[in-house]
Amino acid sequence: KQEVTQIPAALSVPEGENLVLNCSFTDSAIYNLQWFRQDPGKGLTSLLLIQSSQREQTSGRLNASLDKSSGRSTLYIAASQPGDSATYLCAVRRNAGNMLTFGGGTRLMVKP
Amino acid sequence: NAGVTQTPKFQVLKTGQSMTLQCAQDMNHEYMSWYRQDPGMGLRLIHYSVGAGITDQGEVPNGYNVSRSTTEDFPLRLLSAAPSQTSVYFCASSTLSSLETQYFGPGTRLLVL
Repeated sequence: KQEVTQIPAALSVPEGENLVLNCSFTDSAIYNLQWFRQDPGKGLTSLLLIQSSQREQTSGRLNASLDKSSGRSTLYIAASQPGDSATYLCAVRRNAGNMLTFGGGTRLMVKP
Repeated sequence: NAGVTQTPKFQVLKTGQSMTLQCAQDMNHEYMSWYRQDPGMGLRLIHYSVGAGITDQGEVPNGYNVSRSTTEDFPLRLLSAAPSQTSVYFCASSTLSSLETQYFGPGTRLLVL
């Protein structure tokens, strides 16, 4: 059974820092991996999607990498801002269907 | 275009009571799903539907029923609520051709006493 772990569970950084959020998964046979952002009291918003054949994806200040063989993904946030404060979730998809396995999330606070 | 809407936002139930969580989308999406999110845990799939009249179980379906009589609506029913069902429930929808692009509702926070 696939298990997804995110470390750390919470992170507090001063504004302007570059930071890395980690995601690990136990079964490397994945179809793709997705990073989401969740704001308090809100649903999830997709940030980046990496297919199993890709090594990284970038969107603005966000860069996600994937090392399928070692079961790891990282989300790099450059020049963090208070508006980046949220919970970040990673999820892996086993096949082209709908089943996502989520990690527990990293709660990020960026202090002004 | 309201996207995915959920009602109610918050509900308190007593053990054994029943209730229905409502979910609606106005994007003509074929695929709709229900997740639950517990503290420190990621979302877990409860039930999903690939179109009107078609539903299937997800990872944690026990204690929940669903139906899909229209494309727009996908209600989740708790027949006899238990404290273990205290959670935040999210509904999501997408097209079948782009399952990765799921639109999530704002969630329903449920407390079962």
